[in-house]
Amino acid sequence: EAGVAQSPRYKIIEKRQSVAFWCNPISGHATLYWYQQILGQGPKLLIQFQNNGVVDDSQLPKDRFSAERLKGVDSTLKIQPAKLEDSAVYLCASSSGTPNQPQHFGDGTRLSIL
Amino acid sequence: QKEVEQNSGPLSVPEGAIASLNCTYSDRGSQSFFWYRQYSGKSPELIMFIYSNGDKEDGRFTAQLNKASQYVSLLIRDSQPSDSATYLCAGNSGGSNYKLTFGKGTLLTVNP
Repeated sequence: EAGVAQSPRYKIIEKRQSVAFWCNPISGHATLYWYQQILGQGPKLLIQFQNNGVVDDSQLPKDRFSAERLKGVDSTLKIQPAKLEDSAVYLCASSSGTPNQPQHFGDGTRLSIL
Repeated sequence: QKEVEQNSGPLSVPEGAIASLNCTYSDRGSQSFFWYRQYSGKSPELIMFIYSNGDKEDGRFTAQLNKASQYVSLLIRDSQPSDSATYLCAGNSGGSNYKLTFGKGTLLTVNP
């Protein structure tokens, strides 16, 4: 079974620029998550999709971050404009969405803001 | 605010010893708990999960859950240098969206 695919693996941009990340979940997984993991911290949920609908985006900084999951499969996360504090690893995860089933993570995108 | 707290470590144990990782949570509505292992520069990898009070064993790993004390632990027996990693505890908030709240992680080093 193919895992969660993410790209790019690394991205370096200057502050105030924009950036986008892409995620393809495990086939058949209805639920997709985007997390932000700052160095030395645990992952923090930014947004959760169930199929193509948003379930939770309470911790998404909506003035600069946006995400979509068209057709309920792939997803993109965008930051515009980027700030220095956005330097982090952005992790995508997916799960079947049924009770007590684990989330499976992609390799993440390491973002550095100069 | 729902929180998951972990002893931040770092924790250092000799090879062959038992490593004990602990986690407490504030949300009494949490139904299940997950332990993830994260090697430096890598993504979290699921070790095991538990949702019933008591112990759950899987090879060298044992997860323990005490809902009355809001306490979760992970024991690693016969620790190996390859177990050296950050261990993340996560609680599922329940409800309809199965949202995970992660602790900050505990860095474990197993010395040969």
